[in-house]
Amino acid sequence: GAVVSQHPSRVICKSGTSVKIECRSLDFQATTMFWYRQFPKQSLMLMATSNEGSKATYEQGVEKDKFLINHASLTLSTLTVTSAHPEDSSFYICSARERGRGFSTQYFGPGTRLLVL
Amino acid sequence: GESVGLHLPTLSVQEGDNSIINCAYSNSASDYFIWYKQESGKGPQFIIDIRSNMDKRQGQRVTVLLNKTVKHLSLQIAATQPGDSAVYFCAENSLRAAGNKLTFGGGTRVLVKP
Repeated sequence: GAVVSQHPSRVICKSGTSVKIECRSLDFQATTMFWYRQFPKQSLMLMATSNEGSKATYEQGVEKDKFLINHASLTLSTLTVTSAHPEDSSFYICSARERGRGFSTQYFGPGTRLLVL
Repeated sequence: GESVGLHLPTLSVQEGDNSIINCAYSNSASDYFIWYKQESGKGPQFIIDIRSNMDKRQGQRVTVLLNKTVKHLSLQIAATQPGDSAVYFCAENSLRAAGNKLTFGGGTRVLVKP
């Protein structure tokens, strides 16, 4: 089946630094990628929708200047958490919708655990 | 620091018994529903889906039931195994919604007792 990878799987950084998380579709082209955040014992909350070659669409309450999303190619989207603070510590998950397939075909990555000290 | 989160409802089930996980949704325009399984520290894994023009769909050891009248979705797992221990999320989608995106429910933790 289709595979979505994320890198890194976990990252620890100091407060005030920026962290980049990569999301790749390994064997398919993804026209749309989604970024989610998940706090402990909570559900997945959609942060933004990323379409290849265009600006990301952010959900209400998500700061676009803090969470920079770049969908540079049909297989890669990146999320950069700028000036990270401890409250940004969370589990970040991306998913990718395969080009040419139905809307139901959405594959999730393994997630990236971010800890901001 | 860590935000105070919701307490996930937990379903404890004996190995070999059947499990039923419930989900209520609010958007009557939802066209499509999916159940995901999430193990600790991992991303969600697709289990089974159902479209709004159906009320039942079966997979391998799993059955999804959809009651649109009361906006209720359930996942039945037959002969529950230790490997079924995880958090289960329902998700809904509407083709007519802007962005065509999934909305996740709160989740249920399933603990399988040997």
